[in-house]
Amino acid sequence: QVQLVQSGAEVEKPGASVRVSCKVSGYRLRELFMHWVRRAPGKGLEWMGGFDPEEGKNVYARKFQGRVTMTSDTSTNTAYMDLSSLTSEDTAVYFCASLPVRFIQGLVYYSGMDVWGQGTTVTVSS
Amino acid sequence: EIVMTQSPATLSVSPGERATLSCRASQSVSTDLAWYQQKPGQAPRLLIYDASTRATGIPARFSGSGSGTEFTLTISSLQSEDLAIYYCQQYKHWPPITFGPGTKVDIK
Repeated sequence: QVQLVQSGAEVEKPGASVRVSCKVSGYRLRELFMHWVRRAPGKGLEWMGGFDPEEGKNVYARKFQGRVTMTSDTSTNTAYMDLSSLTSEDTAVYFCASLPVRFIQGLVYYSGMDVWGQGTTVTVSS
Repeated sequence: EIVMTQSPATLSVSPGERATLSCRASQSVSTDLAWYQQKPGQAPRLLIYDASTRATGIPARFSGSGSGTEFTLTISSLQSEDLAIYYCQQYKHWPPITFGPGTKVDIK
């Protein structure tokens, strides 16, 4: 079955950038539609962005546009999330998750994020 | 952007009793709604998608209902392992995909 294994915890200083990786096993990354979600301490789940099959590209939540880039390396079956200009507000656990897509008679159907990585803790502190 | 709200914020239920969690969308999402369970220190787990379809391996005590703007997650007979935060999520109109703030289920 599909498994997503994320990179380890990171500690960064304010203003720095961080890269979180998400390695896929049991499936080909190019056939998954990957998204990234985070949870800050004491807060709920927050969608950061992911692949939109109707647009054919990654799309990002407005609050992260200009600071986040999501990419993938199909040769290593690994997805990446880069976040720049870090502040203490970016301290959170970051998750990758796949959102299955069905194409039926020209329409696109989704069914919830069914597989998640274990999470990567990113701490931003001076 | 569709805003999701959930009630109550915290729910205390005795083992074996029914737990009913509510989720409301600021505009219709049809049945493009999912429920997730997140236990401390773990990743979220998909429970329900398309408002009422149980995900693979989810026990039958979890059920979802609703359409449009009003949704319900019911745990028919609460077990001790159901202690968690439960989130609803809409995927009808995105970006952005939006989550509710969560309902924390405590065991009474």
